[in-house]
Amino acid sequence: EAGVVQSPRYKIIEKKQPVAFWCNPISGHNTLYWYLQNLGQGPELLIRYENEEAVDDSQLPKDRFSAERLKGVDSTLKIQPAELGDSAVYLCASSLFTDTEAFFGQGTRLTVV
Amino acid sequence: DQQVKQNSPSLSVQEGRISILNCDYTNSMFDYFLWYKKYPAEGPTFLISISSIKDKNEDGRFTVFLNKSAKHLSLHIVPSQPGDSAVYFCAASTSGTYKYIFGTGTRLKVLA
Repeated sequence: EAGVVQSPRYKIIEKKQPVAFWCNPISGHNTLYWYLQNLGQGPELLIRYENEEAVDDSQLPKDRFSAERLKGVDSTLKIQPAELGDSAVYLCASSLFTDTEAFFGQGTRLTVV
Repeated sequence: DQQVKQNSPSLSVQEGRISILNCDYTNSMFDYFLWYKKYPAEGPTFLISISSIKDKNEDGRFTVFLNKSAKHLSLHIVPSQPGDSAVYFCAASTSGTYKYIFGTGTRLKVLA
């Protein structure tokens, strides 16, 4: 069974530029999460989807961050414009149901210079 | 305000011995706890979980203990193997919120 796939693995951009991350969850998983992980910290939830509906986006900085999950499968997370403080690892995870354990992708390491 | 705390940033253990990783939480509403393992350049991998109705859950070499009165849980790995060397995160949630709060992680190094 294929795991959660994220791309790109690494991204370096200049500040004020836009950037997008893509996530393909495990087939059949209804719940999809985007997490942010800063160096030396644990993952922090940005947004949670149930199928195509964003049911918890309270931690998403909506002035510059946006996300979508069209057709309830793949998801993209966008930052526009990026700031230096956005440098971190962005993790996507999925779970079969909301109350089951989440499986994480390898993450996208973003460096904003 | 960190609701889930892993106060030991790192731990070194000899191969074959027991590894004990600790996690404390402050929110008494948490009732579901998980441990994840993370290798470098990979995403966290689910290891084991425990519900607050239990005080122990075992899966092979891994056992999680929950002490609700102390708001403390621990992960025991017996015997420890070099392949267990990784960063271990504990996470907690409250039923119905579906929001997992992660600790900052403990880096375990198992010495051969």
